[in-house]
Amino acid sequence: TQTVSQSDAHVTVFEGDSVELRCNYSYGGSIYLSWYIQHHGRGLQFLLKYYSGNPVVQGVNGFEAEFSKSDSSFHLRKASVHWSDSAVYFCAASSPGGRALIFGTGTTVSVSP
Amino acid sequence: GGIITQTPKFLIGQEGQKLTLKCQQNFNHDTMYWYRQDSGKGLRLIYYSITENDLQKGDLSEGYDASREKKSSFSLTVTSAQKNEMAVFLCASSHDTSQNTLYFGAGTRLSVL
Repeated sequence: TQTVSQSDAHVTVFEGDSVELRCNYSYGGSIYLSWYIQHHGRGLQFLLKYYSGNPVVQGVNGFEAEFSKSDSSFHLRKASVHWSDSAVYFCAASSPGGRALIFGTGTTVSVSP
Repeated sequence: GGIITQTPKFLIGQEGQKLTLKCQQNFNHDTMYWYRQDSGKGLRLIYYSITENDLQKGDLSEGYDASREKKSSFSLTVTSAQKNEMAVFLCASSHDTSQNTLYFGAGTRLSVL
């Protein structure tokens, strides 16, 4: 069974702090990994994705994620959060030629002033 | 850029009622998806379609029908609404299933009385 897990349901940080959101996956073979952001009342928006090559991928608005095959992880990081980063973040995975993305349960990030 | 439009934004139904949700995209994407979002459970795939008139079942297809009569539109029918059901239904599209960059609509929020 292919799974994506996000261990933290809710993270609270202060503006200007760094944040790391954890994502672990269970997949056989090659894998696509991605992160999406959902602001309140909106649909999901793509942040970044990894398939091969440099394990650190850069996304929009200062986000980056690092793939680790040994840890089966794809954690998302941002060095300095802004209040507008308050949202729900979803990790997702699939295999090449696979049918559709499988999503984690999401991590809600609350940024305090 | 393109846009995904979901109608209606809010849907209130009665127990046992048949309800239809609509989705239109102007990206000219081949693949379209319907996901259900419940609080704390992430996104679960209901149906997807890789081309016009194609339908593929997801993990949550029981209780739903879907229709892809045109490349640009993908509708979802709740065949018999369940009492007290509350969920957000998200439509998405992508160039193909291997691309893994999904573009989402804002969602339809369903409440069943």
